[in-house]
Amino acid sequence: SQQGEEDPQALSIQEGENATMNCSYKTSINNLQWYRQNSGRGLVHLILIRSNEREKHSGRLRVTLDTSKKSSSLLITASRAADTASYFCATDAGGNNRLAFGKGNQVVVIP
Amino acid sequence: DTEVTQTPKHLVMGMTNKKSLKCEQHMGHRAMYWYKQKAKKPPELMFVYSYEKLSINESVPSRFSPECPNSSLLNLHLHALQPEDSALYLCASSPVTGGGGSTGYTFGSGTRLTVV
Repeated sequence: SQQGEEDPQALSIQEGENATMNCSYKTSINNLQWYRQNSGRGLVHLILIRSNEREKHSGRLRVTLDTSKKSSSLLITASRAADTASYFCATDAGGNNRLAFGKGNQVVVIP
Repeated sequence: DTEVTQTPKHLVMGMTNKKSLKCEQHMGHRAMYWYKQKAKKPPELMFVYSYEKLSINESVPSRFSPECPNSSLLNLHLHALQPEDSALYLCASSPVTGGGGSTGYTFGSGTRLTVV
């Protein structure tokens, strides 16, 4: 199964700054999703962008999708200490509920 | 109710033990999943149930045995595990629509399993 791959994998920023993470994938997709995970516990779904969408917003989150480059980015604006977490992109390639996760980004927001 | 509940939160078991992990949701989701996550790694899909039937087994060793008694419950039976099976086991649910529809997957908080 395909997996997204994020770059960079570790990011440390000051509170109030913006954080950007990238994700690339290898095959055609139905949608791409971003999840957050705090301290090795459950994942929280943040946002889903469909293959026919180019940009989507949710609160302080902005996701872009470039299917021609097979890449996506997640921007967190005005970061807060509570945004400290690991962020994963995940892709559903065949619509068969086989959701595959990328390597993940560790984001540390320094108060 | 918009949660997936997993029990227990922590489990320590010997290599000869038999134990079960439990997962419950009441969102009406008809797809349920087991993922395994090692430290600092992404979750890896183990099993997918769709309408209470096993639809995907990602070549998981037989010492892991899933069960879906009804549309709200998902179990993972463990037997004769190895120390390398120690990990965080995550349960998730979603609408059956591919990729979780418009809402994605809902994950439980996981069971942290240690095999000694």
